[in-house]
Amino acid sequence: RKEVEQDPGPFNVPEGATVAFNCTYSNSASQSFFWYRQDCRKEPKLLMSVYSSGNEDGRFTAQLNRASQYISLLIRDSKLSDSATYLCVVTAYSGAGSYQLTFGKGTKLSVIP
Amino acid sequence: EAGVAQSPRYKIIEKRQSVAFWCNPISGHATLYWYQQILGQGPKLLIQFQNNGVVDDSQLPKDRFSAERLKGVDSTLKIQPAKLEDSAVYLCASSPQTPTTAGNTIYFGEGSWLTVV
Repeated sequence: RKEVEQDPGPFNVPEGATVAFNCTYSNSASQSFFWYRQDCRKEPKLLMSVYSSGNEDGRFTAQLNRASQYISLLIRDSKLSDSATYLCVVTAYSGAGSYQLTFGKGTKLSVIP
Repeated sequence: EAGVAQSPRYKIIEKRQSVAFWCNPISGHATLYWYQQILGQGPKLLIQFQNNGVVDDSQLPKDRFSAERLKGVDSTLKIQPAKLEDSAVYLCASSPQTPTTAGNTIYFGEGSWLTVV
């Protein structure tokens, strides 16, 4: 089982649609969780952190279920500019006071006019 | 604030040749990472430094890859000899002061694109 697994893409949705991405992780000792966004031929950039209580940032909502080892990202009212690859990221303690980030393969979203 | 700087941006080499990538992290960031991202996949950690010491290099193919971070600032990643399957983007990233807490995010450079022919 892969450490971080994401929905296979691509997701092709019309503007204004709501789309949800799922992610599962295998390491029950994982500490922190993030969603990163990666535009075509660009570096990954932090989109938002994910907390057990759930958190929202504008049209984006992230949820974490530690018991099920499951993370989700919901995008409401999709915009053309949301087209990108969304990477699920999980951190775990790797020793010597540091944490290792493990990335999923990413899910590609294309928002269509 | 200046971001993570990497060079070269693009490199094409023949198999069995060698290549080196350079990274300058964000000022004051103690932790530096090298990731390999193959097309269609997520970034895979190759090596992680804390200041100038190696924290994790378990996924670094040590028979051909090497990395160093002298003086705890800049870092170089070398591949010798290159194979076709090394074609990928090599991303350098950094994160703030030690200890790197779970809540800290990391910041990526634009990457060095390697094509091995």
